[in-house]
Amino acid sequence: AQKITQTQPGMFVQEKEAVTLDCTYDTSDPSYGLFWYKQPSSGEMIFLIYQGSYDQQNATEGRYSLNFQKARKSANLVISASQLGDSAMYFCAMREGLGANSKLTFGKGITLSVRP
Amino acid sequence: SQTIHQWPATLVQPVGSPLSLECTVEGTSNPNLYWYRQAAGRGLQLLFYSVGIGQISSEVPQNLSASRPQDRQFILSSKKLLLSDSGFYLCAWMDRNSPLHFGNGTRLTVT
Repeated sequence: AQKITQTQPGMFVQEKEAVTLDCTYDTSDPSYGLFWYKQPSSGEMIFLIYQGSYDQQNATEGRYSLNFQKARKSANLVISASQLGDSAMYFCAMREGLGANSKLTFGKGITLSVRP
Repeated sequence: SQTIHQWPATLVQPVGSPLSLECTVEGTSNPNLYWYRQAAGRGLQLLFYSVGIGQISSEVPQNLSASRPQDRQFILSSKKLLLSDSGFYLCAWMDRNSPLHFGNGTRLTVT
């Protein structure tokens, strides 16, 4: 079974509006972390936001917030006030456990296009 | 602050030729190091990771190998490239207190 699922087709949003990018995950480990990365057309992977499984509050970083619903195993990324520069591929990822062997598993990504 | 260097940025190699991609990290000690591959328009596939010098874990059987000769150096190699080895290769590092930090990637085209 996939550990990270991103099923939305290409997403479109009007500039200055908010958009939600969906991510569901599957793990039996009580300790895990969820990450979102942005990949513009240049190819670099840019870390956006992190949510730990024991964090009580949803993570926020500027215009990015993570809607963490633990019981539903979802970690959706919300981008407020979209900008043209937000057009990119977005990846959700999960790290299971906190040990030295922990590694990130990535979803297949979602393409976001911001319209002027 | 920590930085990660990966080179070359682009590479075109013929089928059957060898490959060596290098990645170095600065500003941290004993990081976990990773090699990922991304096929065009797809997600990231973990190829190898290392928790210390000389310690390499392979995630998928393939035509590639990895080595970690020094604490902050990670090398991806192949003796004979295949067409299917084409892709975007990303090196990354992580420790207990950080997210995964990526290099700028190497775009490999095998012709």
